[in-house]
Amino acid sequence: EAQVTQNPRYLITVTGKKLTVTCSQNMNHEYMSWYRQDPGLGLRQIYYSMNVEVTDKGDVPEGYKVSRKEKRNFPLILESPSPNQTSLYFCASSSRGTAGPASYNEQFFGPGTRLTVL
Amino acid sequence: AQSVTQPDIHITVSEGASLELRCNYSYGATPYLFWYVQSPGQGLQLLLKYFSGDTLVQGIKGFEAEFKRSQSSFNLRKPSVHWSDAAEYFCAVGPDSSYKLIFGSGTRLLVRP
Repeated sequence: EAQVTQNPRYLITVTGKKLTVTCSQNMNHEYMSWYRQDPGLGLRQIYYSMNVEVTDKGDVPEGYKVSRKEKRNFPLILESPSPNQTSLYFCASSSRGTAGPASYNEQFFGPGTRLTVL
Repeated sequence: AQSVTQPDIHITVSEGASLELRCNYSYGATPYLFWYVQSPGQGLQLLLKYFSGDTLVQGIKGFEAEFKRSQSSFNLRKPSVHWSDAAEYFCAVGPDSSYKLIFGSGTRLLVRP
């Protein structure tokens, strides 16, 4: 089954304790992205990756790191979590589109990771 | 600046009634437009998308949406709502320079029995 998986689904941690949220897709997609969802704000992009070893900042990258060593995996790292990073996090992936160099297909989303930082 | 506006935070309809969720966008180029649905505790599922061509697009679960360039709108409709349609609905436009989707703030749909 084609899917995006995230682990863990729920996490409660304390300020300053490093954590990693994993994301994996089995669709051979080039593009992967991390979003955070907060009430009334919709989804905001944290980081994205166009392919292996190619990553870039989104709208709200502060306090986060990512890596893309393999095509299928795109972990999100919080080196020193703070309470303002309490949120619902989504990983997404998509394949490159055929409508030109800047096109891509629709994004597939993982089930989400609810993170609470105390 | 590129943006998406969903003016209704909550909408309540009776089961069997028709539904229209509003979405307006601001985007410089020809947009790709999407509607996603998020059920409680779930991820986002794509309902439908518009890339080009026929401005009335059909999606899953009986939903449709109409792209109106003159009004910068992409409203979602369903002729008869089912209780299982209760969820949060997100309109999105893309891609932007970082190939991300720009999401609206969402509309929460409540369905009365």
